Amino acid sequence: DAGVTQSPTHLIKTRGQQVTLRCSPISGHKSVSWYQQVLGQGPQFIFQYYEKEERGRGNFPDRFSARQFPNYSSELNVNALLLGDSALYLCASSLGSGVAYEQYFGPGTRLTVT
Amino acid sequence: AQRVTQPEKLLSVFKGAPVELKCNYSYSGSPELFWYVQYSRQRLQLLLRHISRESIKGFTADLNKGETSFHLKKPFAQEEDSAMYYCALRGTGGYQKVTFGTGTKLQVIP
Repeated sequence: DAGVTQSPTHLIKTRGQQVTLRCSPISGHKSVSWYQQVLGQGPQFIFQYYEKEERGRGNFPDRFSARQFPNYSSELNVNALLLGDSALYLCASSLGSGVAYEQYFGPGTRLTVT
Repeated sequence: AQRVTQPEKLLSVFKGAPVELKCNYSYSGSPELFWYVQYSRQRLQLLLRHISRESIKGFTADLNKGETSFHLKKPFAQEEDSAMYYCALRGTGGYQKVTFGTGTKLQVIP
């Protein structure tokens, strides 16, 4: 198993544009979480999805949205991009939703907003 | 609100010296504490969690609820321990919102 995969690896967008980031969890994992990691900071929780339903949301504006598909893959959408959205976006998957389940992280997507 | 503080951005130690990476947390309840590690050019991975009370790669961490700390320790540093270390907290609530600290870069000098 390749582990959690994310695409694209890097991308550059202009202020005001919209972006979609993709995540494929480890086979058999039903939960996906998204994190934003700004340079020099730790990852910050954005969303968790389990069985296609949102289970948790961090302190991010409504410009950020996500969804999970029947095959448990997930997309993170960010509208009206701001310079401050430039960051590494991490996806993590786990078998289940609860606290007992370990999260496995993907390599991240590096988003640069100019 | 939940918060994790790692006071040191960089910790440099000589090979064979003891290591202590500090972590303090703020949470009104019984949190679950973790240490994650990121080696150069690798993805973030779980190092250890307080509920398992395991020693991984020689590292241990004890949860001190009185001092709200979860410091990571290793008696003898190895060069391969050089990496970025993040302390993290997960509160109650049935889902997996994990709050990370800002991280400490451990540099082991040969």
